[in-house]
Amino acid sequence: QVQLQESGPGLVKPSETLSLTCTISGGSVSSGSYYWGWIRQPPGKGLEWIGYIHYSGGTNYSPSLKSRLIISVDTSENRFSLKLSSVTAADTAVYYCARILRRPKVPMELYYFDYWGQGTLVTVSS
Amino acid sequence: DIQMTQSPSSLSASVGDRVTITCRASQSISNYLNWYQQKTGKAPKLLIYGASSLQSAVPSRFSGSGSGTDFTLTISSLQPEDFATYYCQQSYSNLSFGPGTKVDIK
Repeated sequence: QVQLQESGPGLVKPSETLSLTCTISGGSVSSGSYYWGWIRQPPGKGLEWIGYIHYSGGTNYSPSLKSRLIISVDTSENRFSLKLSSVTAADTAVYYCARILRRPKVPMELYYFDYWGQGTLVTVSS
Repeated sequence: DIQMTQSPSSLSASVGDRVTITCRASQSISNYLNWYQQKTGKAPKLLIYGASSLQSAVPSRFSGSGSGTDFTLTISSLQPEDFATYYCQQSYSNLSFGPGTKVDIK
């Protein structure tokens, strides 16, 4: 059974960089069949896709966050990470990491989130 | 960007009711559409992928249909554990979620 666990500071100051790590157990980040993604949810609001990465290093970011975002992977530690710079109060949210299954389909793969971490609340405040 | 909308935004229903939630995409997404259930304080759980395929271990009272721009999630007989918020998500172009539909007790 795959398990994902987010870790990182729960409080970040405005204008600083939010950094989170997702550690995978029961599975390998190096499996080519999956992407590894981040999703966030502001308090009381809906889900927002942030971005995802493949173990090879290929990434895809939400256009609205792309200028501030870096997602990286560490295959030796079986984990992947998120860095979001220049944060404001609008970045306050529960941040989830998740596995994205790539299901073969014509004309292109279908992607869906099949395993999720429990989520971690990050508050941006001075 | 593809925008997703859901209707209704919330609904009240009783145990045993048939419940239908609609998701609409701003452009055709074929059947690149998935559904999730989220309970308060928990991570979302995948219910349906590819518009109509039931994820393993999900009860058969859940079903999905649709293609193009209009999709539905149906719960054939609402159970107490089904009171939650439901989200659709497209993967046709990047990824994006609908705003959610909250199902609560009438």
